[in-house]
Amino acid sequence: NAGVTQTPKFRILKIGQSMTLQCTQDMNHNYMYWYRQDPGMGLKLIYYSVGAGITDKGEVPNGYNVSRSTTEDFPLRLELAAPSQTSVYFCASSSYSLNPTGTEAFFGQGTRLTVV
Amino acid sequence: AQKVTQAQTEISVVEKEDVTLDCVYETRDTTYYLFWYKQPPSGELVFLIRRNSFDEQNEISGRYSWNFQKSTSSFNFTITASQVVDSAVYFCALSEGFSGTYKYIFGTGTRLKVLA
Repeated sequence: NAGVTQTPKFRILKIGQSMTLQCTQDMNHNYMYWYRQDPGMGLKLIYYSVGAGITDKGEVPNGYNVSRSTTEDFPLRLELAAPSQTSVYFCASSSYSLNPTGTEAFFGQGTRLTVV
Repeated sequence: AQKVTQAQTEISVVEKEDVTLDCVYETRDTTYYLFWYKQPPSGELVFLIRRNSFDEQNEISGRYSWNFQKSTSSFNFTITASQVVDSAVYFCALSEGFSGTYKYIFGTGTRLKVLA
């Protein structure tokens, strides 16, 4: 019952460093998402993917890149870390469905990133 | 454009009081889905309920109930006889079905504090 797994859980980066946040899901979901949550704020969509090989920008994509080479994995890359990227990052997945009941997003535990 | 508004930033109640969390949404789609998530102090996002635009039936689950009214674009959440364990941030979210992306747009959340 792994669901959506994110690694690492915590990370401190120095300004200008790069890192990749890993996300994998074992539910065979088509759709995957990256959100960031700033303190006291809601979740803002960074990037999303509707299937392997297809990605698109969300609301706040600047400073990030993603790839989706497999159904299971959706890593998020920070190329040049900046203090403004200090946040909690959530990966999520959902199954595509035209079923009228729709489907909820399943979330990982989050990655708390601090850029100093 | 999609938008979710949770006007109540923070609510404090005394244990056993009833409390209603408001959610107002905007969408141009006729097919859409609404969700509520709970984020306890530990930080994970816990799915509570899903409702589609075709179904305006209210729902009750234990102490939780949800009131969906398309006429006022609202999807309010009531906790009856609140308990300290209900203390959390609650998010309302919207997903538009036929845009093909199932992006989830979140409100800014309502922090509920239940005092013993």
